[in-house]
Amino acid sequence: EAGVAQSPRYKIIEKRQSVAFWCNPISGHATLYWYQQILGQGPKLLIQFQNNGVVDDSQLPKDRFSAERLKGVDSTLKIQPAKLEDSAVYLCASSLKVVGPLYEQYFGPGTRLTVT
Amino acid sequence: AQSVTQPDIHITVSEGASLELRCNYSYGATPYLFWYVQSPGQGLQLLLKYFSGDTLVQGIKGFEAEFKRSQSSFNLRKPSVHWSDAAEYFCAVATWDSNYQLIWGAGTKLIIKP
Repeated sequence: EAGVAQSPRYKIIEKRQSVAFWCNPISGHATLYWYQQILGQGPKLLIQFQNNGVVDDSQLPKDRFSAERLKGVDSTLKIQPAKLEDSAVYLCASSLKVVGPLYEQYFGPGTRLTVT
Repeated sequence: AQSVTQPDIHITVSEGASLELRCNYSYGATPYLFWYVQSPGQGLQLLLKYFSGDTLVQGIKGFEAEFKRSQSSFNLRKPSVHWSDAAEYFCAVATWDSNYQLIWGAGTKLIIKP
């Protein structure tokens, strides 16, 4: 079974530039998550999709971050304009269920973003 | 609000020695409990999870964890560590109150001495 795919793996941009990250979840997983992981911290949920609908985006800085999952499969997370404090690893995860014994989030390798 | 505490930022153990990583949570009822491992340059991998039933849970790579309701703890253990276990370990909980979203600890970095 193929895992969660993310690209690019690394990205370096200057502040005020824009950047986009792509995620392809495990086939059949309806739920997709984007996390931000700052060095030395646990992941912080940015947005959760169920199919192509947003379940929770309460921690997404909507003035600069946006995300979409148009066909309920792939997803894109965008930052525009980037700030220095956006330097982090952006993790995508997917799960088959959101509750119960089948609930497990599978993570991609992440995209390491450096904003200079 | 629910929270997860991993008291140890770093732990150093000798190869072959036993390991225990601590995790405490704050929540009134029994949450879903997870341990994930993050190796350098790799994504987070689930080691084990607890939903209900036997409070001693076996996971992958020889890890186990014990849920202790009275102590609100879910400590991770391994009887004998290998150099390949060097990584960062995260405890997480999911609750009805959090819409079953994962609430994460800050992680514990495991360093293995040869």
